[in-house]
Amino acid sequence: QQQVKQSPQSLIVQKGGISIINCAYENTAFDYFPWYQQFPGKGPALLIAIRPDVSEKKEGRFTISFNKSAKQFSLHIMDSQPGDSATYFCAASRKTRYSGGGADGLTFGKGTHLIIQP
Amino acid sequence: KAGVTQTPRYLIKTRGQQVTLSCSPISGHRSVSWYQQTPGQGLQFLFEYFSETQRNKGNFPGRFSGRQFSNSRSEMNVSTLELGDSALYLCASSHSTLRVTDTQYFGPGTRLTVL
Repeated sequence: QQQVKQSPQSLIVQKGGISIINCAYENTAFDYFPWYQQFPGKGPALLIAIRPDVSEKKEGRFTISFNKSAKQFSLHIMDSQPGDSATYFCAASRKTRYSGGGADGLTFGKGTHLIIQP
Repeated sequence: KAGVTQTPRYLIKTRGQQVTLSCSPISGHRSVSWYQQTPGQGLQFLFEYFSETQRNKGNFPGRFSGRQFSNSRSEMNVSTLELGDSALYLCASSHSTLRVTDTQYFGPGTRLTVL
């Protein structure tokens, strides 16, 4: 069962354009939604994250929009640059079900391969 | 501050063998999580260790195990390797993950190929 669905699988955007990646989740227990960026040969790196009590969060050219009622969230990359070409993963996390405390491991979407054409 | 380091970076094994992967977290981080990344299944959570104890686990068979040492370094072991275990194994460290918002910092991964 895929708990976080991500689309599109791949995306080509012209330099200077807006890149939009969408994710939907099913488990209402999720309460933390990070986005990760991964370049070839590297591990994922945190880009930006949001909690469900906020509808939008902006950091530089990156914005997360969050719709709690629809259980959807999206990443917008404004003024997309060739250096933004990478694979982007949305993820979700929740407080652990185990007695040890902490959070469950991140549940990731399948990823979006973004190419920014010069 | 040095990032998360993983060794080895590449590994080739044959079916039936076992393998041990190593992860050194960022200095001061006490939580280490392991993930498997494959083209078909994407990134999947294996387990998490904190203070030498497995605190959380994902949906993987018992062939996958791990441990954490007193210096927070962690090892992951896969026994009786299968072809489907070929993947990039990623280690992530965080301060504690006692808060759901604790950032997880990923290492570059170990690329395991099972022949």
